[in-house]
Amino acid sequence: KAGVTQTPRYLIKTRGQQVTLSCSPISGHRSVSWYQQTPGQGLQFLFEYFSETQRNKGNFPGRFSGRQFSNSRSEMNVSTLELGDSALYLCASSLGSYNSPLHFGNGTRLTVT
Amino acid sequence: ELKVEQNPLFLSMQEGKNYTIYCNYSTTSDRLYWYRQDPGKSLESLFVLLSNGAVKQEGRLMASLDTKARLSTLHITAAVHDLSATYFCAVDWGNGGATNKLIFGTGTLLAVQP
Repeated sequence: KAGVTQTPRYLIKTRGQQVTLSCSPISGHRSVSWYQQTPGQGLQFLFEYFSETQRNKGNFPGRFSGRQFSNSRSEMNVSTLELGDSALYLCASSLGSYNSPLHFGNGTRLTVT
Repeated sequence: ELKVEQNPLFLSMQEGKNYTIYCNYSTTSDRLYWYRQDPGKSLESLFVLLSNGAVKQEGRLMASLDTKARLSTLHITAAVHDLSATYFCAVDWGNGGATNKLIFGTGTLLAVQP
């Protein structure tokens, strides 16, 4: 069974640009959530989607947005990139039931110069 | 606001020794996870703890949950080098439901020395 797939693995962008990250969940998983990992702030929740609806949102500015498609694939978009957006962005999927763990992808390493 | 604290932040152990990592959280939650992360890799799910008194074991790792004390522990028995990694606990923000909004601890970097 294929795991959570994130593309691309690495990205280098310039300040002010925008970027789109993609996540394909495990087959059958309807919940997709996104996390940002940095050395300073650790792992922080961005948002979670279930059946194309955003169920929860973290404390990030509106420059961070996402969406989920009918096949459960999800995209995350960051506009007007800042140096502080450099991070590892992790996507996780789950069945969405109470006792199902989150399965994480390998992440997209974003560097903003 | 839910806060999750782990200690210690760094743990250097000798092979064969036992130790415990602690995870305290500040508000009520009934779902707690433990994850492992190797350098440059993603997070690997170790345990999901759902109720007070829950105990789960896998190999040399055992996790427990005390929801009244808002405390979870990850106990390492007879450590081996392969256990070297960063261990995170994470608490579900929702109380009584699965929100998948996890608040992570700072992580414990475990280094097992021969």
